[in-house]
Amino acid sequence: GAVVSQHPSRVICKSGTSVKIECRSLDFQATTMFWYRQFPKQSLMLMATSNEGSKATYEQGVEKDKFLINHASLTLSTLTVTSAHPEDSSFYICSASKRAVHEQYFGPGTRLTVT
Amino acid sequence: AQTVTQSQPEMSVQEAETVTLSCTYDTSESDYYLFWYKQPPSRQMILVIRQEAYKQQNATENRFSVNFQKAAKSFSLKISDSQLGDAAMYFCAYRSHRPLNEKLTFGTGTRLTIIP
Repeated sequence: GAVVSQHPSRVICKSGTSVKIECRSLDFQATTMFWYRQFPKQSLMLMATSNEGSKATYEQGVEKDKFLINHASLTLSTLTVTSAHPEDSSFYICSASKRAVHEQYFGPGTRLTVT
Repeated sequence: AQTVTQSQPEMSVQEAETVTLSCTYDTSESDYYLFWYKQPPSRQMILVIRQEAYKQQNATENRFSVNFQKAAKSFSLKISDSQLGDAAMYFCAYRSHRPLNEKLTFGTGTRLTIIP
């Protein structure tokens, strides 16, 4: 159990457009979901934490108007990169946690390329 | 704020040998969780091992074990009988025990190469 999926796995979009990435917990209800960004050969940087039905909590320096996070249900969170620019190109990873279990389950990641 | 430091950007080990990856952290909390995650070339994050700070006994998972030194704020990972499939980036991570603070703080990672 505890499988997390992400869709799409890869996406290429043009500068100025928006792109949505979905994160789903397939076999459990996720009380909290997390979104990370990972640059090549670097560690994971937490962007935001979201709980179902409430607004996401963004880390310092992350633009909440640019990276829109919606956590509409206990199994789905979405990250929308608005007005994407080449510097937004990166690997985005989501994770989810469930009640009373003190670990996060990670999705396979989404590679975003903005041209 | 908590910080996690991995001072070895790269390590290599001969297949079947043992290697230890270092991790230190800084926190003012007394109760927390520590993790080692593996990220192979597929980039899927895989939990290797976890340790609760209130437990004195070091966690073990088959060939993987930790040396948890709470007073020294050290949490090293030992991989025994290294296998080619162990080649990956390894990240040490910290999580507070507080219920409303579930976020993970990651170290910068150690790239482990297995020499056949």
